[in-house]
Amino acid sequence: GAGVSQSPSNKVTEKGKDVELRCDPISGHTALYWYRQSLGQGLEFLIYFQGNSAPDKSGLPSDRFSAERTGGSVSTLTIQRTQQEDSAVYLCASRNHRGVATEAFFGQGTRLTVV
Amino acid sequence: DAKTTQPTSMDCAEGRAANLPCNHSTISGNEYVYWYRQIHSQGPQYIIHGLKNNETNEMASLIITEDRKSSTLILPHATLRDTAVYYCIVSRTGANNLFFGTGTRLTVIP
Repeated sequence: GAGVSQSPSNKVTEKGKDVELRCDPISGHTALYWYRQSLGQGLEFLIYFQGNSAPDKSGLPSDRFSAERTGGSVSTLTIQRTQQEDSAVYLCASRNHRGVATEAFFGQGTRLTVV
Repeated sequence: DAKTTQPTSMDCAEGRAANLPCNHSTISGNEYVYWYRQIHSQGPQYIIHGLKNNETNEMASLIITEDRKSSTLILPHATLRDTAVYYCIVSRTGANNLFFGTGTRLTVIP
């Protein structure tokens, strides 16, 4: 595809359930970021993948959050035992980090609502 | 990566130039200045970036001061569709985070 694709676009889940959010980055992009944006707030960094390096998980808010990136391409963000405060838009971005300054491309996000 | 300071909000009349300032006084020599914007309910959109020279593309111009401690994004003829939150970010190549801050909410007024 031409851009970063995220699915689902909207997800409503019951408190305590697990959810998986998917991100398909732009083909060939080596870097992938996950962010969270609560209503009316700025973007909160969650996790970063770069090639085969160990991911930077420093932004994950709790051990209920995890993410993986299979084959250096698709990424899945998993939230276990969801809480109401997890309600937010989860944004994924990819970027080509091969040696020069490049921009990140964002998907349209997954709006998660925990009820 | 260095952090940035931007005004919380600005208004601009439609058809006029919008000048959005950004302070990045702790920028390092290998850090670029990036601008993104986020229109309501959409993912952030890249606008422009630069290192030390002024840059221009079809969307905007970026003016970086000689000491690189501040920059200005210029939208030459603002339209209603330019109403958005504008983020100024400084980042080195290969950075593991793009720190967005709170940005400037630009409202273009008819």
